[in-house]
Amino acid sequence: TQLLEQSPQFLSIQEGENLTVYCNSSSVFSSLQWYRQEPGEGPVLLVTVVTGGEVKKLKRLTFQFGDARKDSSLHITAAQPGDTGLYLCAGFYGNKLVFGAGTILRVKS
Amino acid sequence: KAGVTQTPRYLIKTRGQQVTLSCSPISGHRSVSWYQQTPGQGLQFLFEYFSETQRNKGNFPGRFSGRQFSNSRSEMNVSTLELGDSALYLCASSWTSGSSDTQYFGPGTRLTVL
Repeated sequence: TQLLEQSPQFLSIQEGENLTVYCNSSSVFSSLQWYRQEPGEGPVLLVTVVTGGEVKKLKRLTFQFGDARKDSSLHITAAQPGDTGLYLCAGFYGNKLVFGAGTILRVKS
Repeated sequence: KAGVTQTPRYLIKTRGQQVTLSCSPISGHRSVSWYQQTPGQGLQFLFEYFSETQRNKGNFPGRFSGRQFSNSRSEMNVSTLELGDSALYLCASSWTSGSSDTQYFGPGTRLTVL
């Protein structure tokens, strides 16, 4: 059982569509992070959310941290082929960085 | 500024052999963490080294070990390889140890065990 549950596991959409990826846990996290990983590369940190209820925007990406700090979401507006990749949420649990299983996003042109 | 480098990028071994992977952190970073990534289990934490000392360890058998040198470079060793050890091994570096610091990942070493 994953400490961080991500959904959906796989998403294939057309360019221009919107999408949301979810990251849920039964545990409280002091912060949650979102990474994107492309084939042949390591994960790259996109954002860290720290405060319950926090919303952060990174161009077309919007990240939310749940009020109870147990969940987070990533919303992409008008997805582009360049957004294709594996999206991972992660959080520190007992000084160890734990990851969700990831969401594979494919954006078709 | 050079990123995290890992060598080799690809490796093929047979069951029972041992393997050593290398990670050079970003200049000035003193913490190096190792992760195993597989399709079934995702990204899992192996261990973290800071100033040549192991700070944290994940739930992996003793066949997985590591060390860090005085220049912060780190090596990971896996002995008596099993088929299930086939994975992408990632290392990440950061300035300090702990949850407040951003980790920068290398491209990984793809290990295949036959």
